[in-house]
Amino acid sequence: RKEVEQDPGPFNVPEGATVAFNCTYSNSASQSFFWYRQDCRKEPKLLMSVYSSGNEDGRFTAQLNRASQYISLLIRDSKLSDSATYLCVVNRNSGYSTLTFGKGTMLLVSP
Amino acid sequence: GAGVSQSPRYKVAKRGQDVALRCDPISGHVSLFWYQQALGQGPEFLTYFQNEAQLDKSGLPSDRFFAERPEGSVSTLKIQRTQQEDSAVYLCASSLETSVYNEQFFGPGTRLTVL
Repeated sequence: RKEVEQDPGPFNVPEGATVAFNCTYSNSASQSFFWYRQDCRKEPKLLMSVYSSGNEDGRFTAQLNRASQYISLLIRDSKLSDSATYLCVVNRNSGYSTLTFGKGTMLLVSP
Repeated sequence: GAGVSQSPRYKVAKRGQDVALRCDPISGHVSLFWYQQALGQGPEFLTYFQNEAQLDKSGLPSDRFFAERPEGSVSTLKIQRTQQEDSAVYLCASSLETSVYNEQFFGPGTRLTVL
């Protein structure tokens, strides 16, 4: 089983749609969780951290279920500019912040 | 302020050549990471530095890969006797502290193609 698993997509949605991405992780010792965004041929950039209580940043909502080792990202009112690959990321070592990335889920938002 | 920079941005090497990839982290950042990203995959961890100390090199795929950060700032990833399977984007990231909750800032990467 891969350490972090995501549906690679692509998810094709119209502008204004709501879309949800899911991710599972295998290392129960992981302490920190993130969603990164990566545009084509660019570097990954932090979209948001994910907390057990759930957190929201504008149109983006992230949830963490530690018992099920499951992370989700919800995007409301999709914009064309949301088209990118979304990487689910967990830390792989409790001592420092080395990250394990999923393969990413591609989102394509069309007019 | 300046972000993480990497050079060269593109490198084409003939199989068997040695290459050196440079990373300039954000000034003052303690932690520095190298990742390898193959086409269609997420980044995969190679090695980690805390200041000048290399604390984790468990992700280096073979003894042909070597990294250093001698003064705790600039880092170099060296690949000896390159092979075609080394073709990938090599990403460097830095973070201010060592906490598992700190954001990592990525450089633009070096795209290595081995012919």
